[in-house]
Amino acid sequence: QKEVEQDPGPLSVPEGAIVSLNCTYSNSAFQYFMWYRQYSRKGPELLMYTYSSGNKEDGRFTAQVDKSSKYISLFIRDSQPSDSATYLCAAPSSSGSARQLTFGSGTQLTVLP
Amino acid sequence: SQTIHQWPATLVQPVGSPLSLECTVEGTSNPNLYWYRQAAGRGLQLLFYSVGIGQISSEVPQNLSASRPQDRQFILSSKKLLLSDSGFYLCAWSRGGRAEAFFGQGTRLTVV
Repeated sequence: QKEVEQDPGPLSVPEGAIVSLNCTYSNSAFQYFMWYRQYSRKGPELLMYTYSSGNKEDGRFTAQVDKSSKYISLFIRDSQPSDSATYLCAAPSSSGSARQLTFGSGTQLTVLP
Repeated sequence: SQTIHQWPATLVQPVGSPLSLECTVEGTSNPNLYWYRQAAGRGLQLLFYSVGIGQISSEVPQNLSASRPQDRQFILSSKKLLLSDSGFYLCAWSRGGRAEAFFGQGTRLTVV
């Protein structure tokens, strides 16, 4: 079982829709979670990060963590065609003095105009 | 502000040829550096990471090697490429003790 699981999609929504992107994780030691956005043929871009449980909001984006069910979500309100990308969730594990990220496989999102 | 440069963006190499991909970071000192490979639909696989000059840890045994000759320079190499080395290679950096990684724009390598 992968430590971070993510539905690969693809997910297609109309412009203006609320998008929900989800990941589950199996490692109870994960305390800190990140979402990356990756446009086609580009490197991933850090979108949001959040500690522990609860919500974190940044503009149209809300990251949510439910540690009891080991479930993390990214909500996009008023989705735009420019939001079309692959979204990766990630959580860090420690090894010595370097921190390493465990990534989900990514969900491909298309927002249709 | 910090920036990360990775080149080339695209590379087509014959089987058996050598490889050298370079990554440099500007605007920070003593970063942690990483090489990842991304296969379609399979997420990011960590290949190497480094916490300092000359310090390289390998995550996956393979045909590749990494070196860090300077504080902000990270190089991915191979003596003889295999077809299976094709993929999208990403360099990343993070501050020591922090988990957030910042990625370069990637190199798409095709071995023919």
